[in-house]
Amino acid sequence: EVQLVESGGGLVKTGGSLRLSCAASGFTFNNAWMNWVRQAPGKGLEWVGRVKNIAPGGPTDYAAPVKGRFTISRDDSTTTLYLQMNSLKTEDTAVYYCASDLAKYGSGEFDYWGQGTLVTVSS
Amino acid sequence: QSALTQPASVSGSPGQSIAISCTGTSSDVGDFRYVSWYQQHPGKAPKLMISDVTYRPSGVSDRFSGSKSGNTASLTISGLQAEDEADYYCSSYTASTVVFGGGTKLTVL
Repeated sequence: EVQLVESGGGLVKTGGSLRLSCAASGFTFNNAWMNWVRQAPGKGLEWVGRVKNIAPGGPTDYAAPVKGRFTISRDDSTTTLYLQMNSLKTEDTAVYYCASDLAKYGSGEFDYWGQGTLVTVSS
Repeated sequence: QSALTQPASVSGSPGQSIAISCTGTSSDVGDFRYVSWYQQHPGKAPKLMISDVTYRPSGVSDRFSGSKSGNTASLTISGLQAEDEADYYCSSYTASTVVFGGGTKLTVL
């Protein structure tokens, strides 16, 4: 059974940093493109970025609002995805989901999602 | 990359059919076949309902169907049921990103 379990969310001050983790199991992690998607309270889904399946680490793509502040990485040995968030702003407050397009790598059609972890950025 | 455009809300009575539109551009919806739809109930993670414009993943009811014409994709739900009440999001692959629609709240009257 595919499982994606996020952790690391919490309350942080503006300008601060936080690292989220996503523990993956039930599939061949090193083949998968892994993504982060967020959802601000009461708002819609927003794609954050992804890391491709090319070792080591894999090339990354980011959405414009987080480029230069967020870094996505992966550890294939522990099947864990990371999201390092720096220079946090109040508008980064959201539930952060780990998601993957296992049926078609790189398609952006996310057939598996974690349960999400809440990040709250306050001033 | 701008979000795809969806109506904020739609409604229908049990047994009826409804359609939700998703309008993008020739750089996303109009140019790629990777257009998908998600259902999200309150407090839950999104669930993939349609991929590749028209494909239904295993386990998704055949009451859900997708289509696309030009830069606009559509999700149709037939035989509305109370459990269909949820938020629905479209998304599209682009050259190097993924873009979502703003979401549509479906109310089953």
